[in-house]
Amino acid sequence: AQSVTQPDIHITVSEGASLELRCNYSYGATPYLFWYVQSPGQGLQLLLKYFSGDTLVQGIKGFEAEFKRSQSSFNLRKPSVHWSDAAEYFCAVISNFGNEKLTFGTGTRLTIIP
Amino acid sequence: GAGVSQSPSNKVTEKGKDVELRCDPISGHTALYWYRQRLGQGLEFLIYFQGNSAPDKSGLPSDRFSAERTGESVSTLTIQRTQQEDSAVYLCASRFPPGADYYGYTFGSGTRLTVV
Repeated sequence: AQSVTQPDIHITVSEGASLELRCNYSYGATPYLFWYVQSPGQGLQLLLKYFSGDTLVQGIKGFEAEFKRSQSSFNLRKPSVHWSDAAEYFCAVISNFGNEKLTFGTGTRLTIIP
Repeated sequence: GAGVSQSPSNKVTEKGKDVELRCDPISGHTALYWYRQRLGQGLEFLIYFQGNSAPDKSGLPSDRFSAERTGESVSTLTIQRTQQEDSAVYLCASRFPPGADYYGYTFGSGTRLTVV
């Protein structure tokens, strides 16, 4: 079965520092991968997605992610974080192409310090 | 409406009581999903609706959980005889039919259920 692993439960970075959130997937074929952000009391917002083509994808809010098939990874990056980036981040994969349901990782909580 | 609406936003119930959670999807979104998010965990898939049929109920954790949908509109998730382990945030998402638009998942803000 398809699965997604986010190894880091909680990450703390200083405002202005760079960020990388890790995501590893288990899927036999080319996966359809997503990153979502969840702010407190909010629904999930799509940051970016990868289906095919260029392995470096750009998203909203200055985020990008790189698909690396050899490492089964889809890590999220941002060159300089802002205090408003503090939130929970979820990596997800489409696990069933009949109903296209998403399988989510357990999330990484990002804390920003001044 | 402009987004997926869920109600109530918060619900506190006594163990053993039944609860109903409501989801109003975006108009035209024929596909609807329910997920559960326990504290500190990712989202667990519960059920998928296409129109008013539910071809995938594989995530419902027990027969205390059921859901229905009226046409391509409102969906209700019912939990009978609630238990403390049911405490979680229940999220609803809607989208156009599978295959139509991979950008199209829109999530509601969720219902936070606390069973005391």
